[in-house]
Amino acid sequence: ILNVEQSPQSLHVQEGDSTNFTCSFPSSNFYALHWYRWETAKSPEALFVMTLNGDEKKKGRISATLNTKEGYSYLYIKGSQPEDSATYLCALYNQGGKLIFGQGTELSVKP
Amino acid sequence: NAGVTQTPKFQVLKTGQSMTLQCAQDMNHNSMYWYRQDPGMGLRLIYYSASEGTTDKGEVPNGYNVSRLNKREFSLRLESAAPSQTSVYFCASRDRGLSYEQYFGPGTRLTVT
Repeated sequence: ILNVEQSPQSLHVQEGDSTNFTCSFPSSNFYALHWYRWETAKSPEALFVMTLNGDEKKKGRISATLNTKEGYSYLYIKGSQPEDSATYLCALYNQGGKLIFGQGTELSVKP
Repeated sequence: NAGVTQTPKFQVLKTGQSMTLQCAQDMNHNSMYWYRQDPGMGLRLIYYSASEGTTDKGEVPNGYNVSRLNKREFSLRLESAAPSQTSVYFCASRDRGLSYEQYFGPGTRLTVT
């Protein structure tokens, strides 16, 4: 069983704060790492798919980095807004086609 | 394109009853997945199908069966429902290949009493 861990479990920040979360995973047999954004009462939506060590991806105020040798990825949000409130999930893709999710980081941004 | 669709959206079962959750995608994706979401547990993989004609167990397969009916459809069956199967069930699909994201259906909220 692949072990994908995310920290922190929850985070409360003020509007305008920048924040970051961590996703840790086994570094052996790495194929791809996904980040998803999941708003309450909706379905998860993909933010990034990262495949190469050193990958950096950006979408607006959200960016992510990947270190496959040490087994971690960071997700950054610059200048958090209330609409960024959601659960952020990372998931590890393995050779067999499984996509295994971490437990998520729940972000709450207060105006 | 409808994307990934799931039926029903809500269901209440009594312990021991059976039912099938339906999932279909119109994106011509090879791989399809079933997850359950429970408070504090994130998304846990029940079964997946890497391609038409194949199915494999995920993290929590006990009490479930699946059928990949064709490339579009992937159903999840509960033969004898138990209260522990009360959950929100998500179906998802993706194309084969490393860099493709997963697309999720709207979810089915199941309560077993």
